[in-house]
Amino acid sequence: GAVVSQHPSRVICKSGTSVKIECRSLDFQATTMFWYRQFPKQSLMLMATSNEGSKATYEQGVEKDKFLINHASLTLSTLTVTSAHPEDSSFYICSAGWRGELFFGEGSRLTVL
Amino acid sequence: SQQGEEDPQALSIQEGENATMNCSYKTSINNLQWYRQNSGRGLVHLILIRSNEREKHSGRLRVTLDTSKKSSSLLITASRAADTASYFCATAASPGNTPLVFGKGTRLSVIA
Repeated sequence: GAVVSQHPSRVICKSGTSVKIECRSLDFQATTMFWYRQFPKQSLMLMATSNEGSKATYEQGVEKDKFLINHASLTLSTLTVTSAHPEDSSFYICSAGWRGELFFGEGSRLTVL
Repeated sequence: SQQGEEDPQALSIQEGENATMNCSYKTSINNLQWYRQNSGRGLVHLILIRSNEREKHSGRLRVTLDTSKKSSSLLITASRAADTASYFCATAASPGNTPLVFGKGTRLSVIA
């Protein structure tokens, strides 16, 4: 099966700083990737759809200026949490589709102090 | 938006017993999938059932789908302590590269 890799798997940052999370499709090209957020003991919520070469589509209630998404190549999408605050602490997971199936990254746990 | 609702929210059983989790959804789907997530870890894809299928098996897993009731169930037979995890159903409105909508999940604890 296809592999989606996320980096970093864990990151701790100070309040007010920005953090970038990378999502890579290792052995296939992904024109579309999806970013999810999961708070502790809750389910995954779709944040945005990342489109290669164009602007991301954000779900209602997700601030596009706070969660910057860049899909500059067919194998890489990045999510930047700008001016992070403790309430942004969460588990961020990306996924990408290949041959009709979605593959998920291992997730990135962000802790904002 | 989140459309799947699982019940129960939490389930605790003894090793060897069967565990049944249910999922309901609101809109038309192309397929429904079940995932497992160990605490603090990524998702593990368990099984996919298409809207024209009613039942599917994979090892100790049995999934049913009732599109008329917009519901699905996941049965884990002869549970093991290693099955302890959160289980989520997720629906896809169309095949291929579309986002999944996840249910709230069931936290399963299997006691040895």
